[in-house]
Amino acid sequence: EIVLTQSPGTLSLSPGERATLSCRASQSVSSSYLAWYQQKPGQAPRLLIYGASSRATGIPDRFSGSGSGTDFTLTISRLEPEDFAVYYCQQYGSSPAFGPGTKVDIK
Amino acid sequence: QVQLVQSGAEVKKPGASVKVSCKASGYTFTSYGISWVRQAPGQGLEWMGWISAYNGNTNYAQKLQGRVTMTTDTSTSTAYMELRSLRSDDTAVYYCARDSSIAVADLDYWGQGTLVTVSS
Repeated sequence: EIVLTQSPGTLSLSPGERATLSCRASQSVSSSYLAWYQQKPGQAPRLLIYGASSRATGIPDRFSGSGSGTDFTLTISRLEPEDFAVYYCQQYGSSPAFGPGTKVDIK
Repeated sequence: QVQLVQSGAEVKKPGASVKVSCKASGYTFTSYGISWVRQAPGQGLEWMGWISAYNGNTNYAQKLQGRVTMTTDTSTSTAYMELRSLRSDDTAVYYCARDSSIAVADLDYWGQGTLVTVSS
């Protein structure tokens, strides 16, 4: 079973700043089957990135994903007010699982 | 447009069962899988399992094996998740989500969520 760890737990930033979120897997994630989701309070999650680096339909290009193997990163180049939310990574290879999440809040 | 519409909130007693439905529209139901994800109050996301809407194959999270059953009705494009022997720690919002392919995949569309409360 692959366990995902996300860091930091909370990221306090100001609008316009760059956010860098990390997701580390306990074993290599096959074929980069790694996705990132955004969730706002009271809402269902929204797919941002799939295949480690491909943006989902309608996702702004300020969101980018990178990485392979066991280390993955979600970068938000310039935070907009609507980007303050919780972000989860998910591996969907064997026995899919989510990471514990990173909360991006307003500094 | 793709939509997943789930059934309404449920309140159950410990030991009971709950069955949540997820009606899909806007796409060919049998060309994709459906996953179920739950979220306990104030907690993160937990993947529960997946079902192929094409042939009914399933893949359940190990911790729920024996308590969960996922099914589909292709005539109505509806997926179901039944959880048995409910405990208080099963209290959560339950989401269905479409896998982006027929296999287990990233989840590109989500239902609105169904709150299941387990309380005596």
